[in-house]
Amino acid sequence: GQNIDQPTEMTATEGAIVQINCTYQTSGFNGLFWYQQHAGEAPTFLSYNVLDGLEEKGRFSSFLSRSKGYSYLLLKELQMKDSASYLCAVRDRDSWGKLQFGAGTQVVVTP
Amino acid sequence: DTEVTQTPKHLVMGMTNKKSLKCEQHMGHRAMYWYKQKAKKPPELMFVYSYEKLSINESVPSRFSPECPNSSLLNLHLHALQPEDSALYLCASSRSTEEYTFGSGTRLTVV
Repeated sequence: GQNIDQPTEMTATEGAIVQINCTYQTSGFNGLFWYQQHAGEAPTFLSYNVLDGLEEKGRFSSFLSRSKGYSYLLLKELQMKDSASYLCAVRDRDSWGKLQFGAGTQVVVTP
Repeated sequence: DTEVTQTPKHLVMGMTNKKSLKCEQHMGHRAMYWYKQKAKKPPELMFVYSYEKLSINESVPSRFSPECPNSSLLNLHLHALQPEDSALYLCASSRSTEEYTFGSGTRLTVV
C-alpha cells in the first residue's frame, strides 16, 4: 500500500514562489506525478518524476528523492489563476497502472 | 486528439434507475481508468482496464459495473445507487509510462 502526505493549504501572494512538499511510503515505487485541479474540474497533468532530481517546466518545477520518499512542486511567479488544489500521486510498481493520490494541497494566491 | 471525453457532464438519477457513464479517447492509450471523487477529497481509483481487460477492481460494490467495448471506449453502468454514491466520476487513460489524461468528469447526483 501507499501513504502519501502533503500540507492541506498554503497561501502566497501574486508573484511569489511556493513550494509544496509531498512525502510518501510505498511498497513499490514507479513514478510520482503532480496534478493541478481547479474546483469542479478534471485534474491537469503538471509533472512526472521517476528518477531522482529536478524537472523544470516553465514556471513549475518538481523534485524527487526516492531514498527519502520525498518530492516537492515549486511554483514560481505565482499568478491568481494558480489558485487550485495540487495533487501528489504515486504509481505503484506492483499494481501496474494504479495511481494513488494524496489528499491535495489547496494553494490560495492573494493579490 | 489529446482529450478524454466524458458524457454526460451532469446526471441526476433515482435509486431505482439504471444509467451509464461513457468515456472515449482516441490517443491510442491502452489503459483506461475510472476514479470517484467526493468534494474536497482526492480521486479514488475504482477500476483499471489494460488492453480492454479488467486488471484492477478496488473492491467496488457491484452496483457499479464497468465495461470496455473496445480500446477507445469505457463505460460505467450504474444500478440501484445510493445517495452516498453522489460524486464526480472521472475517467482517465494512459500509455504504459506516460502521464494520465483525465476527462472533465460526470457530476452524478443520486436522489
